[in-house]
Amino acid sequence: ETGVTQTPRHLVMGMTNKKSLKCEQHLGHNAMYWYKQSAKKPLELMFVYNFKEQTENNSVPSRFSPECPNSSHLFLHLHTLQPEDSALYLCASSQVRDASPAFFGQGTRLTVV
Amino acid sequence: DQQVKQNSPSLSVQEGRISILNCDYTNSMFDYFLWYKKYPAEGPTFLISISSIKDKNEDGRFTVFLNKSAKHLSLHIVPSQPGDSAVYFCAASARAQKLVFGQGTRLTINP
Repeated sequence: ETGVTQTPRHLVMGMTNKKSLKCEQHLGHNAMYWYKQSAKKPLELMFVYNFKEQTENNSVPSRFSPECPNSSHLFLHLHTLQPEDSALYLCASSQVRDASPAFFGQGTRLTVV
Repeated sequence: DQQVKQNSPSLSVQEGRISILNCDYTNSMFDYFLWYKKYPAEGPTFLISISSIKDKNEDGRFTVFLNKSAKHLSLHIVPSQPGDSAVYFCAASARAQKLVFGQGTRLTINP
């Protein structure tokens, strides 16, 4: 039990499909993040939400659309992805304005076919 | 521009010995540093952290050292155990903002 739960754990989707990744945190944190981990690359920050407001978008293509309805839930909506988008997508949460660690979910292994 | 660098992609250590993982950074504004451990197909797990006002922090078998003048930090694991085999990421942040991660070092503990 990490306190950050991601669903689904695995997802295979076609390039014309629409799917969503879900993240929920039970830690009372006020910041949530989406990261992407591709093979042999550092963790890439995609989006940051502080107090439900998006504060950072690291030049992520519009086929990735985040949604943060409240400080405990974060979604990543996927649409017309490319095979190179196949990766491990990680959600994390932390307490903003406090030097504290971010806690990660188990990730969703996404394969685009 | 890689602000946090882990120059060793892999490290192999014998069980019972000390494992030393290194990390360098370039941004002098970083004031909080962390180490994460990651198993395949799982999310990173927080291990230990240190703020810039300290030069050492210890938690059981894990010790993190910070050398601000050299912009270098290291993670010492002693004694190393087979379960320590994983990928280790260092990360840094400035003024409690977003974490910046290194590329990771794959640690293998040999029996």
